[in-house]
Amino acid sequence: RKEVEQDPGPFNVPEGATVAFNCTYSNSASQSFFWYRQDCRKEPKLLMSVYSSGNEDGRFTAQLNRASQYISLLIRDSKLSDSATYLCVVNIWSSASKIIFGSGTRLSIRP
Amino acid sequence: GAVVSQHPSRVICKSGTSVKIECRSLDFQATTMFWYRQFPKQSLMLMATSNEGSKATYEQGVEKDKFLINHASLTLSTLTVTSAHPEDSSFYICSARGQSQKETQYFGPGTRLLVL
Repeated sequence: RKEVEQDPGPFNVPEGATVAFNCTYSNSASQSFFWYRQDCRKEPKLLMSVYSSGNEDGRFTAQLNRASQYISLLIRDSKLSDSATYLCVVNIWSSASKIIFGSGTRLSIRP
Repeated sequence: GAVVSQHPSRVICKSGTSVKIECRSLDFQATTMFWYRQFPKQSLMLMATSNEGSKATYEQGVEKDKFLINHASLTLSTLTVTSAHPEDSSFYICSARGQSQKETQYFGPGTRLLVL
């Protein structure tokens, strides 16, 4: 089983729609969580950190469920510019801190 | 946010040659740097973690003698792909993080390597 799993998609939704992604992680030592966005042939860019209480940044809402070991990302009122691959990232704190990327979920917003 | 640069952004080389990629943190001290490789339509795969002044920790399946990592200062890490082969062609991305494990990591823009 992969340490971080995501639905690869692609998700193809119309502009203005609401779309949600989930990500599950297997290592209970995982301590911090992030969503990154990666555009084609570019480096990943931090979209938002994910806090236990849930957090919102404009049209983006992230949730963390430690008991079930999953995190989610909700995008409201999607824009064409939201088309990208969204990477779920887990930071495992231990004697050797490790950051694990999910395989990414591709999102395509159509006009 | 913090800035991380990589050089070169793109390199084409002949099979058998060695290629060095530099990763620099421009406005913060990067205690830890990470090297990733990404093949087309796949996610980033962590190759190794390097801490300033110590040997890099390589992930399983990554040959340390082939991918030489040097993290000699708090602002610079280098990855040398030795005796490169066509299957080493990939997108290599570094990231840097400060002292705390809780800190965000910042990515460089990546280096596209094509080995002919």
